[in-house]
Amino acid sequence: GNSVTQMEGPVTLSEEAFLTINCTYTATGYPSLFWYVQYPGEGLQLLLKATKADDKGSNKGFEATYRKETTSFHLEKGSVQVSDSAVYFCALGGGATNKLIFGTGTLLAVQP
Amino acid sequence: SAVISQKPSRDICQRGTSLTIQCQVDSQVTMMFWYRQQPGQSLTLIATANQGSEATYESGFVIDKFPISRPNLTFSTLTVSNMSPEDSSIYLCSVNRGKNTEAFFGQGTRLTVV
Repeated sequence: GNSVTQMEGPVTLSEEAFLTINCTYTATGYPSLFWYVQYPGEGLQLLLKATKADDKGSNKGFEATYRKETTSFHLEKGSVQVSDSAVYFCALGGGATNKLIFGTGTLLAVQP
Repeated sequence: SAVISQKPSRDICQRGTSLTIQCQVDSQVTMMFWYRQQPGQSLTLIATANQGSEATYESGFVIDKFPISRPNLTFSTLTVSNMSPEDSSIYLCSVNRGKNTEAFFGQGTRLTVV
C-alpha cells in the first residue's frame, strides 16, 4: 500500500541556518504530495503542495520538488527563523477520496 | 477554504464510557475524514464518512469501536466507545474539495481516558 517515510526529529537549528527535511514515498498511480505544518498550540495547516512530477511547491520561503525518479518530496528552506519552529508532516494524497497518508512528523526547533 | 468546528475541544473520560465528537463544516462537502493523533505520533486515518452511506474504515479500526454518523453534507460525529487509556489521543476531523486539493482540519479534540 501507499506509505510515507519522513526524516525523524527533532531537528535543532540556529536562526538563518539551511533546513532540509527528507520525505520519500511509496505509491501506486500518481499521488499528490503535501507538506503540512503544526505550530505550537495550533491546528494542522497546509504549507505547500505539488500535484505532479517535477512540480515545485513553495510558500513562506519553503520549497519542495516532486521527484518521481527518486520518489521524494524533500522540504527545504534557505534561512530558518525562530517562528518556523513547529512540527512538519509530509503527506501523500490521491485516489477518488483524496484521503491523506501522513509521515511521522518532524519537530523543528530553531534557536536564536 | 473550509472552516471546521469540532466539539468538545478536550475531555477527560472514565474508562468504559463513550464520547461523541462533533464536526461541523461551514459549507457542503462530499467526504469527511476522521484522524487520530496519538501522543507524539503522526496522524492515522480512522475512517472516511460519506453522506448517506456507511463509513469506510481503515485497517485496524472497526465500526463497533468508532461508530460514525454523517446525517448531512456539513456534519459528522465520531464516537469513541468503551474507552480505555489507550484511546487517549487527539481526534481530528478533516475535509477536502476533491482530488489534489488541500485538506482542512478542525482544531481537534484532545481526549484523556483515566
